[in-house]
Amino acid sequence: KAGVTQTPRYLIKTRGQQVTLSCSPISGHRSVSWYQQTPGQGLQFLFEYFSETQRNKGNFPGRFSGRQFSNSRSEMNVSTLELGDSALYLCASSLTSSRYSPLHFGNGTRLTVT
Amino acid sequence: GQNIDQPTEMTATEGAIVQINCTYQTSGFNGLFWYQQHAGEAPTFLSYNVLDGLEEKGRFSSFLSRSKGYSYLLLKELQMKDSASYLCAVRDRTGTYKYIFGTGTRLKVLA
Repeated sequence: KAGVTQTPRYLIKTRGQQVTLSCSPISGHRSVSWYQQTPGQGLQFLFEYFSETQRNKGNFPGRFSGRQFSNSRSEMNVSTLELGDSALYLCASSLTSSRYSPLHFGNGTRLTVT
Repeated sequence: GQNIDQPTEMTATEGAIVQINCTYQTSGFNGLFWYQQHAGEAPTFLSYNVLDGLEEKGRFSSFLSRSKGYSYLLLKELQMKDSASYLCAVRDRTGTYKYIFGTGTRLKVLA
């Protein structure tokens, strides 16, 4: 079974630009969540989607948005990029959105904002 | 509020046993997970505790005490490949379910 696939692996953008990251979950997984990972802050929760609906949202500004398609694939968009947005963005999928259902992570997209 | 604490770094010797502690505060506890993350790679699921006690899985064991808000991950017979970051995460059900991660413990295994 293929794992969680994230594209692209690396991105370099300049301040003020926008970026879209993509995530394909494990086949059959309907829940997709996004995390930002930085050395000082660890994994910070961005949002979670389940069956095309945003189920939960972390404490990030509105510049961060996402969506999920009918095939469970998800995209995350960051507009008006800031230097502080440089981070590893991880996508995780799980079978359901409740109870015991461990997260399966992709390898992430490393975003550098200059 | 919600908070997870774990040591930043630990060092141990190949063949030894190491215990990585995690303390948490959350109002809607719904399970504690441990993940392993090698540098440049995705976190991978190691273990899950929802009830008090010890869960054993080969060389890895995880313990939970809900009353103390405390968990530990025990790694036995350490191998060089165990050098990685270990992330403690609590599943919280306040409102809708979400995971709260600690900043991770970077473990170095020395020969």
